[in-house]
Amino acid sequence: DSGVTQTPKHLITATGQRVTLRCSPRSGDLSVYWYQQSLDQGLQFLIQYYNGEERAKGNILERFSAQQFPDLHSELNLSSLELGDSALYFCASSVGAGNTEAFFGQGTRLTVV
Amino acid sequence: DAKTTQPTSMDCAEGRAANLPCNHSTISGNEYVYWYRQIHSQGPQYIIHGLKNNETNEMASLIITEDRKSSTLILPHATLRDTAVYYCIVRIYNAGNMLTFGGGTRLMVKP
Repeated sequence: DSGVTQTPKHLITATGQRVTLRCSPRSGDLSVYWYQQSLDQGLQFLIQYYNGEERAKGNILERFSAQQFPDLHSELNLSSLELGDSALYFCASSVGAGNTEAFFGQGTRLTVV
Repeated sequence: DAKTTQPTSMDCAEGRAANLPCNHSTISGNEYVYWYRQIHSQGPQYIIHGLKNNETNEMASLIITEDRKSSTLILPHATLRDTAVYYCIVRIYNAGNMLTFGGGTRLMVKP
């Protein structure tokens, strides 16, 4: 158990819909990262927050957004969903802004039908 | 980040040492070598990291060549539960932002 909690574990939704994925980082970790893993793309970095502020942005679509709340949990919002958004979404956390010893949650499997 | 090259897949017999190579010939002096693994669709798991000295922890050993252009992750007594994709990542420590995952090596431990 990494200490990073992601909910829900599975999500099935229709095209065009909007969903919210939630991540609770390890106790004491200030940094949260979001990754997407689809079959043909491998693990792709989406976005990072550090202590409530956006720190780095990867290949995140404009239809996707994220935020980190004062209690340090984070949410990833995916809107106008397309079939191609079906993937595993992982959240990771680390103590600092740049620690590469990040700890990953078990992921949310999103299926868009 | 320096580019890394890993074999696509490897097999190992249960109980034997698994030696996973990684080439990072363009590594710069302040870049560390990190290893993560991902067991089927689970979240990636940190294994070990090092700069230039060999490192060992309860999971594995990391051997970095003197010129730092390559490294080997060693799982001393592989078990079936070590079957996973292993990622070698080169990164400046505490440089900020994300880990960049490549294709990794799919290690299959066989009975």
